[in-house]
Amino acid sequence: DGGITQSPKYLFRKEGQNVTLSCEQNLNHDAMYWYRQDPGQGLRLIYYSQIVNDFQKGDIAEGYSVSREKKESFPLTVTSAQKNPTAFYLCASSAPGANVLTFGAGSRLTVL
Amino acid sequence: GENVEQHPSTLSVQEGDSAVIKCTYSDSASNYFPWYKQELGKGPQLIIDIRSNVGEKKDQRIAVTLNKTAKHFSLHITETQPEDSAVYFCAATDNTGGFKTIFGAGTRLFVKA
Repeated sequence: DGGITQSPKYLFRKEGQNVTLSCEQNLNHDAMYWYRQDPGQGLRLIYYSQIVNDFQKGDIAEGYSVSREKKESFPLTVTSAQKNPTAFYLCASSAPGANVLTFGAGSRLTVL
Repeated sequence: GENVEQHPSTLSVQEGDSAVIKCTYSDSASNYFPWYKQELGKGPQLIIDIRSNVGEKKDQRIAVTLNKTAKHFSLHITETQPEDSAVYFCAATDNTGGFKTIFGAGTRLFVKA
């Protein structure tokens, strides 16, 4: 079945450590996205990529970094510069010219 | 830029009753309005959407209405069931691409059996 796989599902890290969240899709979608979800808030866009080897900052990119070396993969690194990294992170993808987003199951990051 | 407001933040209904969630948007260029359902521990999933050239769309027990003049759109769920309990997000975007999608803050729906 086609879909988006995020790993790990749960992640605990100490303050000051960088962490990388994995996102893999087998939908053959060109565009991929990272969103952050906090309680009582909508989904906020961190980074997006419309094509391999290209990515753009979203609304809350500070303290995060991404890469897009393969069409299928769009990993997100939460750096020590992110002041409040504890959150639920969602990866999504969309087909060319389409606005419908397909989401992964999410990764919950807790920084102790 | 676009701003989407969603109400209520929490909604509790009895099984079999109807539930209505309302959203407003600010950018008149927005022309696509999806609704996503997020179950506990899962990612959001598209349940219904509407484009600006349509005033209403139905899919079994769910329907969405759009008032372009007032910049309002609403989700209606009839004959609610316990499995409808989830967080629902409205969103608005234009034809530029998925990255322009702006989400509402979400509504947590509880359906009591």
